[in-house]
Order: sequence, then C-alpha cells, then structure tokens
Amino acid sequence: DTEVTQTPKHLVMGMTNKKSLKCEQHMGHRAMYWYKQKAKKPPELMFVYSYEKLSINESVPSRFSPECPNSSLLNLHLHALQPEDSALYLCASSQRDRGTDTQYFGPGTRLTVL
Amino acid sequence: QQQVKQSPQSLIVQKGGISIINCAYENTAFDYFPWYQQFPGKGPALLIAIRPDVSEKKEGRFTISFNKSAKQFSLHIMDSQPGDSATYFCAASDGFGNEKLTFGTGTRLTIIP
Repeated sequence: DTEVTQTPKHLVMGMTNKKSLKCEQHMGHRAMYWYKQKAKKPPELMFVYSYEKLSINESVPSRFSPECPNSSLLNLHLHALQPEDSALYLCASSQRDRGTDTQYFGPGTRLTVL
Repeated sequence: QQQVKQSPQSLIVQKGGISIINCAYENTAFDYFPWYQQFPGKGPALLIAIRPDVSEKKEGRFTISFNKSAKQFSLHIMDSQPGDSATYFCAASDGFGNEKLTFGTGTRLTIIP
C-alpha cells in the first residue's frame, strides 16, 4: 500500500482566516514533505520533515507553519494568506532508511484564498 | 546546475503510437531519476524510476532510457492510449540522504484516437 491521504480536498479561505491542511501515511515512511504546485508547473518543495524533525525549509513565508505530531502525520497551518498562495498543496512521504529516494504523493488539497 | 530540462512542453500522439519525452541534467551527482504521471486535479504518481547503473528499464508499456555520458534520460510510452493523456514530470535527486527532488518543467501529453 503506497497511499498518502490528505484532507480537506478543497479549501476556500479569506486572508484573515486560520486553517490547517492534514496529511497522513501508514507506510512507515520516516520523511514527509509539503509541496506547492501552481497550474502547469512542477511541484515546488516547501518543507521536509525527516524522523519527525524539520530538516528543510525552502525559505517559505512564516504564514505557512508546518507541524509533524508523529511519524504518520503532517500538518500545514495557514494564517493570513495572500491570494497568490492559491494552489494545489501536495504532501509526500518517502522511506529514507532503505536506500530508496522514492517519494509518494497524496492527492493534494486545492486551496483558494479570497 | 540543479536544473533538469524537459522537452517537449506538449506532445500530441495518435493512439497506438510511441510517445517520447526527454530530460537532460547538468549535476553529475544526480543518481536517481523517477518519472511521475499527473492527471488534472490529482497528485503526481510514480510511474517508473532508474538509477545510472543501468541504461534501460522497462515496466509494461513504459521504458526509461538512460545515457550517463550525455546526461540525458527519456521516457518512452509504447502503444500509447487515451488513458495515458496526462502531464509527465521527470525528476532527479543526488542520492540517499538528500530529500530534494529536482523536477523538470513537465510535458502535457495528449493521445488522440
């Protein structure tokens, strides 16, 4: 089973709202990722958690705040977003400890900021 | 040097034909090259991946050809079907322990009857 689940599927929020995106995997993967994808563009890496610790932050604005409560869960907290933050937000996970770099992606959350 | 260049940007192929998408890279430290398939509104799905110790890998109708000296790799889809219509991304990373995937710019493939 190579499933990464994400909730919600769609989210519409105002610029003053606070919301959270959730990601879950039960493959025993020890690395989890957040990506942002704009239309007709490749995914852009935002954050990486490795063994539940933040290992990469790609200079993402502080209005995006990641959290990894345990090895299976990854959250992305959103606050005071801008309309240009509207995009597909993808979560991914990878095994890390068996010599493979394969990242498995979830279906994404379509975020619209009004 | 971290870029992966992908071509063509879009491709139209007749049903039953061969679809070919090419990627080139500069970073000689890259040693893992996956291809992802993405349908509209969905997340990318791993299609096939290769490491530079082999020149070709085949899985069903999908084949990766790898040319280490030219720093190029390509995806071939044999007997292309309308269900293959999607956006394809090549990617590369520089080894176990590096969590970053460098993506190509994507190819929108359309298979026509």
